[in-house]
Amino acid sequence: NAGVTQTPKFRVLKTGQSMTLLCAQDMNHEYMYWYRQDPGMGLRLIHYSVGEGTTAKGEVPDGYNVSRLKKQNFLLGLESAAPSQTSVYFCATVNPGNYGYTFGSGTRLTVV
Amino acid sequence: GENVEQHPSTLSVQEGDSAVIKCTYSDSASNYFPWYKQELGKGPQLIIDIRSNVGEKKDQRIAVTLNKTAKHFSLHITETQPEDSAVYFCAATFNDYKLSFGAGTTVTVRA
Repeated sequence: NAGVTQTPKFRVLKTGQSMTLLCAQDMNHEYMYWYRQDPGMGLRLIHYSVGEGTTAKGEVPDGYNVSRLKKQNFLLGLESAAPSQTSVYFCATVNPGNYGYTFGSGTRLTVV
Repeated sequence: GENVEQHPSTLSVQEGDSAVIKCTYSDSASNYFPWYKQELGKGPQLIIDIRSNVGEKKDQRIAVTLNKTAKHFSLHITETQPEDSAVYFCAATFNDYKLSFGAGTTVTVRA
């Protein structure tokens, strides 16, 4: 089925550890986004990409890096995890032709 | 970037009554305004959207209105049902099709 797949779904990290979240889409969309959602807040944009090989900063980029080596994949990396990065992370893509946004099911990350 | 403010943060209504959530945005270039419903432990689900060339859109019990001059838009849910209880988010697009979200409204429908 067409859509956005996020892996892993859950993860617990110790402070200082690193990890990579993977977002994969099979809709051939150029635009991809990483958001984080904290309790009582809406989704906030971390980084985004407008096409293969491109990345750009969003509203809250500090502590994260991203890569878009292949069009279908958008990776979000945490080099040295901090408790403040405990959050639910959502990946999204958009079809600009019809504003068709598709969200992944989320990755719940806890940093202890 | 875009700033979206959403009110109220919580809303409790009696089953069968209406619920109204209001949002304002800052970027006059925004031209797409979706509303999402999020249930516990799930991702946001689109329930209705509106584009800048339309003032109102309705889908069964849900309607959205947009006032571009005042830069605000609202979600109206009529005849509320227990299954309408969830967190609702408004959003607006800005450059590169980025979405800026409001902080969310927790709606509780009392039986």
